[in-house]
Formats: sequence, C-alpha cells, structure tokens
Amino acid sequence: GAGVSQSPRYKVTKRGQDVALRCDPISGHVSLYWYRQALGQGPEFLTYFNYEAQQDKSGLPNDRFSAERPEGSISTLTIQRTEQRDSAMYRCASSLETVNTEAFFGQGTRLTVV
Amino acid sequence: GQNIDQPTEMTATEGAIVQINCTYQTSGFNGLFWYQQHAGEAPTFLSYNVLDGLEEKGRFSSFLSRSKGYSYLLLKELQMKDSASYLCAVRVSGGYNKLIFGAGTRLAVHP
Repeated sequence: GAGVSQSPRYKVTKRGQDVALRCDPISGHVSLYWYRQALGQGPEFLTYFNYEAQQDKSGLPNDRFSAERPEGSISTLTIQRTEQRDSAMYRCASSLETVNTEAFFGQGTRLTVV
Repeated sequence: GQNIDQPTEMTATEGAIVQINCTYQTSGFNGLFWYQQHAGEAPTFLSYNVLDGLEEKGRFSSFLSRSKGYSYLLLKELQMKDSASYLCAVRVSGGYNKLIFGAGTRLAVHP
C-alpha cells in the first residue's frame, strides 16, 4: 500500500476486555515496529519484527501485551485484560530493510479503556 | 538510563530561522533522527545523522556532535505550515529502528 495502514483508527473498550490492533506495513518492508505514544510525548518503543521473527520485545510493558506477524506482513498487537493505564495511541511503523533505513509511521489506533 | 532533552515550546515568525536543540544520554548510539509531527498526525521523517557535522536538506538542516551528545534542527524561511511538533530520536539498537524519542518541541509560527 501507499503507507502504513492501521485499524481500527479508534477503539473504546471496557476494562478487562481483550483488544487486537492491526497493522498493514508498506508493501515490501521487511521491518515492522510497534510504538505507543501518550499525549504530548514522543513514541515509546514496544517491539520489533524482522520478517516474521519477533527479534526485540523489550518494550512490552508486561505479559498482557503480545504481538505477532505470522507471514511477515500484517501484524497484530494484542492487549489482554485491558486496564485504564493502557489508554494511548498505538502506532505501527515499518522500514524497508533491517539496517539503517528510516521508519515510516502509521496514523495509529487511539485506544481508550473505560 | 535513556534521556533525551529538548525544549517544550518555541515560537517564531514567518520567514525567520529557528534552531531546535536536542541533548541526549543513551546506553547506545547508532544515529539520530528528527521527525515532524502535525497535531493528530503520524510522525514523518525529516533527517538522519550518524556522523558528526551538518546535513542539509532544502530548508531543513540537522547537526550532530557525538562527543557532546548534542544535535540541532535548523529550519530556514519558516512557513505557517511548519507549525508542528519536532521530535528528536536516538537509535540505540544495532541497525534496526529501536528509537528513543524526546517529548518533542512544539513550534508555533506566527505571521
């Protein structure tokens, strides 16, 4: 596609529910990243995929957060048993290669836990 | 720890020049990025420095001094559309884009 596509754009969920956020990277991009951005802050790294392999998940806050990219293209970030503190903008980014190319960010999914 | 500092807000006049500073202390360094983010939009890539010195790209230039842990973004001939947040980010990983971002500098350009 022309850019990184994320869905849904907005998600409101009740505390305790599970949510799945989807990312469709730019076609041909090898690397995929998930970031979380609080209002008035810069994005915060969550996890990184090289093709289908999750090679860095050091930024995932706890074991309620998981991500997958089974076929090396579309990725899903899942948050189980959501809590109010999970409310944030979740951004996906992709880059063409693993080494030394910039990341292109998607429009994000605004998650609100009520 | 990881620490990236940049001013919270700046104002400037249309047609002028503005310099946005960024200082960093990180556990690793493999390049410094500047991103522009308009309100409600995704961050978009502006510039990348991995070696010391100045990189120029049209109206935008970025400078890096690794020994000082310092970078700046220079915007010339400011336009109203340059009103946005400017994010400084350090790549701390070995080549992939694990970026540590600053909180951003909100620039307001007025006539």
